[in-house]
Amino acid sequence: KQEVTQIPAALSVPEGENLVLNCSFTDSAIYNLQWFRQDPGKGLTSLLLIQSSQREQTSGRLNASLDKSSGRSTLYIAASQPGDSATYLCARPPGGSSNTGKLIFGQGTTLQVKP
Amino acid sequence: EADIYQTPRYLVIGTGKKITLECSQTMGHDKMYWYQQDPGMELHLIHYSYGVNSTEKGDLSSESTVSRIRTEHFPLTLESARPSHTSQYLCASSEEVFGAGYGYTFGSGTRLTVV
Repeated sequence: KQEVTQIPAALSVPEGENLVLNCSFTDSAIYNLQWFRQDPGKGLTSLLLIQSSQREQTSGRLNASLDKSSGRSTLYIAASQPGDSATYLCARPPGGSSNTGKLIFGQGTTLQVKP
Repeated sequence: EADIYQTPRYLVIGTGKKITLECSQTMGHDKMYWYQQDPGMELHLIHYSYGVNSTEKGDLSSESTVSRIRTEHFPLTLESARPSHTSQYLCASSEEVFGAGYGYTFGSGTRLTVV
């Protein structure tokens, strides 16, 4: 059974700190991996998509990496702000292709950035 | 504005009632999804549609049913609600990003409570 695991489940940091969120997955035959953000009571917003041929993707203060051999992805947030407080989820397509569009999600890491 | 809409946002209903959760998207996406999310838990796919008149059940068994008569509309129905159906239901659609997989748009969700 393919699984996606995120540790820790919750994280609290002071404003301005750099931080790393972790995502691990079974089955290294991964097509891509996505990171999403979920605000309380709302849907998901896509942050970054890393293809299997890439090692990292960057968007503003966010940088996501992918290491297929170790089954890990990290989301690095630089200079965290209170507005970054949300739940961050990683997800991957089942198997080695993305034809169906289906995703397997991790449980998420709930981040709180204190002013 | 391209978006995906879910109604109602919140619903409290008695056991045994029939309910329909609405989901509509304005982007013309062929693929649509219903995910179920319990507090602090990962999203689980319960229904999936490739396009009009094409639906299939997801990985998580669900007593709900769906229909896809029009591209933009993907309603979910519970014939007889039970307290075990209490959860958040998220609707999503996706479009293929050439060579990279799929880009996703999520609705804000319906939080269902069955009493």
